[in-house]
Formats: sequence, structure tokens, C-alpha cells
Amino acid sequence: EPEVTQTPSHQVTQMGQEVILRCVPISNHLYFYWYRQILGQKVEFLVSFYNNEISEKSEIFDDQFSVERPDGSNFTLKIRSTKLEDSAMYFCASRLRLAGGYEQYFGPGTRLTVT
Amino acid sequence: KQEVTQIPAALSVPEGENLVLNCSFTDSAIYNLQWFRQDPGKGLTSLLLIQSSQREQTSGRLNASLDKSSGRSTLYIAASQPGDSATYLCAASVYNQGGKLIFGQGTELSVKP
Repeated sequence: EPEVTQTPSHQVTQMGQEVILRCVPISNHLYFYWYRQILGQKVEFLVSFYNNEISEKSEIFDDQFSVERPDGSNFTLKIRSTKLEDSAMYFCASRLRLAGGYEQYFGPGTRLTVT
Repeated sequence: KQEVTQIPAALSVPEGENLVLNCSFTDSAIYNLQWFRQDPGKGLTSLLLIQSSQREQTSGRLNASLDKSSGRSTLYIAASQPGDSATYLCAASVYNQGGKLIFGQGTELSVKP
């Protein structure tokens, strides 16, 4: 069964460093998402991406964040200058269509620890 | 702005009991509603999806219902087992906003043998 994959599973970085989190969505899916979950808190939406552009972003997704789909298979989230409060589990998701019974499929997550 | 709330925050039941988890949402303009399971420190496993035009969906011992007019969904788990212990999340897929999911805070379920 197709699945969303994410690398790395765990990333430790120092405050102020740039990180890139990588995702490979399901191959024929059209909609892509990043979410994050700070320990003990709700899963929060960050950004959605469709047709090679951002379709929606949350207040969390400020100028320090960017997304890219560089080669038609990978979908990346970049944080330019990490802060302690960026420590969280980051989930990538993809979806074939919006309407109807089309689920969002989630990857296993990348745990980001900023020290 | 869509908000999703889950009650109770935690639930402990003896093995074999039937139970209901509740989810409410403030905006009925949704594509669908998904229920997920999350084990500690792990990712999200999709359990059931109910389309906005549907009233319920079933998968094995799980049954999810949706009442858009009242902004409520329930997840019914029959004959609970210790392996069902996990956090259960509901999420509404927001209409016309890229289909983003808005999550509730989850119900932490513990099933005692």
C-alpha cells in the first residue's frame, strides 16, 4: 500500500541553524500539507500546497518557514533560523482530492529538537 | 474560524466495555471528518473518514457518526481491548481552505485488562 515517507525521523539542531525536513508524498496525490505537534499539544496546521504553490498557511508559518516541491516527488519544509519553540513533531500529509471520501495520509513524522 | 473540541480528555474503561468518544466542530462547512489514532510518540493512523454527505461509517469494531447540523461526530468502539489504548483524534477538513485539517486535542483512552 502506498505511504507517505519522511526523513529524517529525528533531527537535533542548534538554535539559529537552518533545517530542511523532507517528505515523499504518495505519488499520484495532488494536495500536500505540513502540520506540527508540540509535545502534549494539539496537531496544528502549518501550510497546504497545490499546483506548485501555497494554497493556505497558518499564522505559525511566518517568513522563517518555506516549502518546496523541487522535483515532482519530494516535498520539503525549511526553517531558516530555528528557535527553541520550533521543537516539535512535524508531520507531512498528502491527499488525492479535496471533496469526497479522500483521506489525508500522514507520514510517520520528524521529531525536531532545537537546543 | 473552525474549532474542534473533544470530550472527554481522558477515559479509562475495563476491557470488553463499549464506549463513545465525542467530537464537536463549530463550522459545518467541511469536506469530511477524519478520526485518527495516535500511539505515544508516534504518527497518526487514519481510522475512519466520513464525508460531509454521510451519516456514519463502520470499520470492524469502530463506528463513526456525523451530524453536521449540530456540529457533532462520535466514535463508537465496541468490545474494547487493551490494544485499543491510545489517543484518538478527530479532525475536520475545512471547506475551501485547501482542505486543511483542524484537529481536536484528543481523547486519551486506557483499556484495563
